[in-house]
Amino acid sequence: AQSVTQLDSQVPVFEEAPVELRCNYSSSVSVYLFWYVQYPNQGLQLLLKYLSGSTLVKGINGFEAEFNKSQTSFHLRKPSVHISDTAEYFCAVIPTSGSARQLTFGSGTQLTVLP
Amino acid sequence: DVKVTQSSRYLVKRTGEKVFLECVQDMDHENMFWYRQDPGLGLRLIYFSYDVKMKEKGDIPEGYSVSREKKERFSLILESASTNQTSMYLCASSQGGPHTGELFFGEGSRLTVL
Repeated sequence: AQSVTQLDSQVPVFEEAPVELRCNYSSSVSVYLFWYVQYPNQGLQLLLKYLSGSTLVKGINGFEAEFNKSQTSFHLRKPSVHISDTAEYFCAVIPTSGSARQLTFGSGTQLTVLP
Repeated sequence: DVKVTQSSRYLVKRTGEKVFLECVQDMDHENMFWYRQDPGLGLRLIYFSYDVKMKEKGDIPEGYSVSREKKERFSLILESASTNQTSMYLCASSQGGPHTGELFFGEGSRLTVL
């Protein structure tokens, strides 16, 4: 079984500052990795994904993440945040040969961008 | 624009009532999911379905059942609602294979059981 740890439950940051949301995972097999964003009173939306290839992946809204296999991490970054980035962010993993039952989400990180 | 549509955004029901939550996707996806989201507990999988009439229990199936009679529709049923089922319910769908983890979510159904 795999697990996902999002190290920070809340991250406050000032507008235009850079931000990093941390995600570590544990798995005995190869995994695909995802970041989702949830704005207030909405469902989740896929932000970016790592399936294969370049370990630096770019997503929507200027976010990017880097897959580090040796450190089993998939941290999310943005060089300059906006007020509109305030949302909850979820990291998720699934084994590359796994079923939908094995998709595992982290507990979420609430990003609050302050003016 | 691809879409997952949940029939009700907000519902208020009484204890003991039967509750139906409907979800429809227009992407011809194989997989469909029902999650429950509660503060501090993250997303918890109730049931998922990988094909018509096929379903598997998730982490918290007790008190719930599901139905998938058509590929595009996945229903969550609370046979006898209880106050501890007050929650946000999220439906999602995905393709199979390497795209299994790329979920498209509906906007959620917030259920209050009195």
